[in-house]
Amino acid sequence: KQEVTQIPAALSVPEGENLVLNCSFTDSAIYNLQWFRQDPGKGLTSLLLIQSSQREQTSGRLNASLDKSSGRSTLYIAASQPGDSATYLCAVSPVLQGGSEKLVFGKGTKLTVNP
Amino acid sequence: SAVISQKPSRDICQRGTSLTIQCQVDSQVTMMFWYRQQPGQSLTLIATANQGSEATYESGFVIDKFPISRPNLTFSTLTVSNMSPEDSSIYLCSARTGLGGYTFGSGTRLTVV
Repeated sequence: KQEVTQIPAALSVPEGENLVLNCSFTDSAIYNLQWFRQDPGKGLTSLLLIQSSQREQTSGRLNASLDKSSGRSTLYIAASQPGDSATYLCAVSPVLQGGSEKLVFGKGTKLTVNP
Repeated sequence: SAVISQKPSRDICQRGTSLTIQCQVDSQVTMMFWYRQQPGQSLTLIATANQGSEATYESGFVIDKFPISRPNLTFSTLTVSNMSPEDSSIYLCSARTGLGGYTFGSGTRLTVV
């Protein structure tokens, strides 16, 4: 059974700092991995999608890496801003078997960027 | 990628009543997914909805409590029936995009009093 773990559960940093959020998963047979952002009481916004054949994806100040063999992904945020404050969720999509498409989520990292 | 419009964004309901949440996708999608997020928790899948067939429910969720409709390839509804305070959660719908990722609606924040 696939399990996804995110460390740390919470992180507080001063504005301008570079930071790394970690995600690990137990089964390396994944189709892709996706990072989301969730603001309080809101839905999920997709940040980056990494296919299983890729090593990393970049969007603006965000960079996500994937090491499928070791079951790890990191989300790097450069020059953090107070607007980055949110909960960041990592989710893996299993290799499609019998039509199953169930995403498996980590519990998230709550990020606070202090002005 | 697909955009999902979800409504209502929030509601406060009396116990014993029902609430129907709607999700409209701007493109045709084969499967839609409904999630519940209880306070302070991560997302839990309620059910998967295919057009033209009964939804498939996850363990712990039943059709009588969470009936789902999927009348076409761009629309789905989830009803939370006979609500109790324990149903207070954020409910989210989702669909798979062409690149294999997932897009989510903006969520419905439900409070049952």
